[in-house]
Amino acid sequence: GENVEQHPSTLSVQEGDSAVIKCTYSDSASNYFPWYKQELGKRPQLIIDIRSNVGEKKDQRIAVTLNKTAKHFSLHITETQPEDSAVYFCAASRANQAGTALIFGKGTTLSVSS
Amino acid sequence: GAVVSQHPSRVICKSGTSVKIECRSLDFQATTMFWYRQFPKKSLMLMATSNEGSKATYEQGVEKDKFLINHASLTLSTLTVTSAHPEDSSFYICSAIRDRGNEQYFGPGTRLTVT
Repeated sequence: GENVEQHPSTLSVQEGDSAVIKCTYSDSASNYFPWYKQELGKRPQLIIDIRSNVGEKKDQRIAVTLNKTAKHFSLHITETQPEDSAVYFCAASRANQAGTALIFGKGTTLSVSS
Repeated sequence: GAVVSQHPSRVICKSGTSVKIECRSLDFQATTMFWYRQFPKKSLMLMATSNEGSKATYEQGVEKDKFLINHASLTLSTLTVTSAHPEDSSFYICSAIRDRGNEQYFGPGTRLTVT
């Protein structure tokens, strides 16, 4: 089945710096890769996603890149702000007869200090 | 937007009792819903995929008789934790897919504490 690895587990940056989180996946059939931000005790919030027919997608300070050949994708946050501090999860789709589920990475705790 | 609600948000129950958690899609019909479990400071672990009108598909290692899932309508899926034990204490989150898309819309989660 699908396996998603995420690194690093924790990341501390200064306000204004960039942050990069990387994920790898195992199932070459995966075709949808979302990134979620989760604050303590809250639901995961989709911040950006990318499909396998695209190599890069950007939304203001957030960008995601996908390398299908290498089976890895990355989240890039530029000009970080303290409110970016949260846990970030990558996920990869896994299709089966029941539906397209998401398999999540273990998460990255991002801390942005001012 | 697509809104998913869960009820209750928090529940405390005694060991040996059963607890039902509801997941509702409020403004769309969800043919597929998912149930996740999240331990403190851990990732979301997929428990099962729930399709309206059919039996749920459970992930390996998840006991179907322990975690009963019913998806009786296009807007409601329920998860019943039967004979709960302290180790079942966790954050349970559902999500739903609208139409045939990929994006999953998450509920706010239910914090279950078994004493």
